[in-house]
Amino acid sequence: GQNIDQPTEMTATEGAIVQINCTYQTSGFNGLFWYQQHAGEAPTFLSYNVLDGLEEKGRFSSFLSRSKGYSYLLLKELQMKDSASYLCAVSGGPRGSTLGRLYFGRGTQLTVWP
Amino acid sequence: GAVVSQHPSWVICKSGTSVKIECRSLDFQATTMFWYRQFPKQSLMLMATSNEGSKATYEQGVEKDKFLINHASLTLSTLTVTSAHPEDSSFYICSARHRVGSYEQYFGPGTRLTVT
Repeated sequence: GQNIDQPTEMTATEGAIVQINCTYQTSGFNGLFWYQQHAGEAPTFLSYNVLDGLEEKGRFSSFLSRSKGYSYLLLKELQMKDSASYLCAVSGGPRGSTLGRLYFGRGTQLTVWP
Repeated sequence: GAVVSQHPSWVICKSGTSVKIECRSLDFQATTMFWYRQFPKQSLMLMATSNEGSKATYEQGVEKDKFLINHASLTLSTLTVTSAHPEDSSFYICSARHRVGSYEQYFGPGTRLTVT
């Protein structure tokens, strides 16, 4: 089966840096996504990694190591509005599965304190 | 670009009735749409994959006769929850794939279903 693991909860203070880790085991791999989801809302796209390395986009960066089945999302200069659930999702699956199918982790609930 | 809408945003219905949820891609054609369900403090669980003009592919454990999916056009997919029960109360989210060969999905705003 497909397994995506990430911590359930994390807390940090405003202005700090936080790293949210995600490990995965999937039978196929076509890239890893990070989404942000506020309570009661749909996920919004943050990043996509398909090659090893770091992708930087403003205050958010995402890293991928395919050999280790590992990714992290790095959030800098934290703001109160960054309090949300962060979902790690892998596009992949066994041969024959639907192209673009995403396997989601349970999400990491980040709380940013003033 | 790449906006997906859902209607209604929330709905309350009585047990035993059916509810239809619409998912529309507003500014692009979506060859594939996905339907997810999310319970409180849980992650998104894929229910089914919907391809335009063909039958939906359901995930294991999802009753196809209970959750009817229709993808009649490249911009519209519908999910009908038939004979709804309180345990069907959940947050239903659709997503659409922008183009063939793309791995990125764009999510709708979700529909909160409460069955009393």
